[in-house]
Amino acid sequence: AQTVTQSQPEMSVQEAETVTLSCTYDTSESDYYLFWYKQPPSRQMILVIRQEAYKQQNATENRFSVNFQKAAKSFSLKISDSQLGDAAMYFCACLAQKLVFGQGTRLTINP
Amino acid sequence: GAGVSQTPSNKVTEKGKYVELRCDPISGHTALYWYRQSLGQGPEFLIYFQGTGAADDSGLPNDRFFAVRPEGSVSTLKIQRTERGDSAVYLCASSLGSPRQGTDTQYFGPGTRLTVL
Repeated sequence: AQTVTQSQPEMSVQEAETVTLSCTYDTSESDYYLFWYKQPPSRQMILVIRQEAYKQQNATENRFSVNFQKAAKSFSLKISDSQLGDAAMYFCACLAQKLVFGQGTRLTINP
Repeated sequence: GAGVSQTPSNKVTEKGKYVELRCDPISGHTALYWYRQSLGQGPEFLIYFQGTGAADDSGLPNDRFFAVRPEGSVSTLKIQRTERGDSAVYLCASSLGSPRQGTDTQYFGPGTRLTVL
């Protein structure tokens, strides 16, 4: 069975600062993918970043980057230069046989 | 092009009634997924279609839930004899290819909020 755990129900950061959201996962599959999705109050799940498990290089997308530690089954998201528009629920997800989500972290940006 | 669309945006119904929720995937996407998101939780997988057929329906909670995709595009999630515990946001997603292919990134619709009174 797949599990995804986000241990931080809520996080806050000052605008322009850097914040890291934690995620651990477990799967018996050797071939899988990891994702971070953002869900603002509009409910739309928006893809933030994707990482293939077979790639050692950490994925980056502009201000968003991941720290993928395969042996530790850890997949954290770093947001640099936080902006007010980054405020949302963030979900970590693992795709092996199916896409399994964590419980989410609510990120607040303080102006 | 247009993203995934879902109708209605909100649905309020009474316990015991039948409801249908519709999903229009991104044009050309062969895979379609339904998820249920309860308040304060992450989405939970319900069912996955590849083309017209349900490739994995292991997440459907019971036989009151059923989904179809007759022409391999639009899908309808059907819930019979609704219960208050069915209240949730129902999300639909589509992807160009099947899970674990290089084209398997799932793109989500805005969801339908179902409230069962």
